[in-house]
Amino acid sequence: QKEVEQNSGPLSVPEGAIASLNCTYSDRGSQSFFWYRQYSGKSPELIMFIYSNGDKEDGRFTAQLNKASQYVSLLIRDSQPSDSATYLCAVFMEYGNKLVFGAGTILRVKS
Amino acid sequence: GAVVSQHPSWVICKSGTSVKIECRSLDFQATTMFWYRQFPKQSLMLMATSNEGSKATYEQGVEKDKFLINHASLTLSTLTVTSAHPEDSSFYICSARGTSGQISHEQFFGPGTRLTVL
Repeated sequence: QKEVEQNSGPLSVPEGAIASLNCTYSDRGSQSFFWYRQYSGKSPELIMFIYSNGDKEDGRFTAQLNKASQYVSLLIRDSQPSDSATYLCAVFMEYGNKLVFGAGTILRVKS
Repeated sequence: GAVVSQHPSWVICKSGTSVKIECRSLDFQATTMFWYRQFPKQSLMLMATSNEGSKATYEQGVEKDKFLINHASLTLSTLTVTSAHPEDSSFYICSARGTSGQISHEQFFGPGTRLTVL
């Protein structure tokens, strides 16, 4: 079992729709969770982080965390073509003192 | 937010030569720096973790004698690819983590260095 798993996609959504990106992790003791966005040929940039169960909203982005199910998701409302990118889920693993990244989900927003 | 720079942004070299990539934290002290490699259409692969003043910890399968990492100060880490070969051509990205950041465990990424070995 991979430490952090994501559906590779591509996930295609029409412009203006809600994009839902999902991530599961194996370490039940993990406490910190991050979503990064990576455009082709560029390095990752942080979108959101979440520590507590429930939802966290920031503009068009909402991160959702369910530690009991070991599941974290990212919702993008009113998706725009500029949101088309690879979205990386990252989980901080205490045992290795490092972030472990999922393989990423490719999102395509079609106008 | 915290800024991490990398130099050079791209480099082309001949097979057998060595290439040094610098990673700098510009406005914070980076106690830990990470080096990643990313091949086209693949995810980030962590190569090694370095803590200021100590030897780097390499991930399984990464040759420490080929990828030399030096983290001599709290703002600078270097990655040297020794005797580079075409299969080393990749996108190398560093990230830094400090103790003064607002977000615990957050890593700030540099813009990356694209290495092409002819």
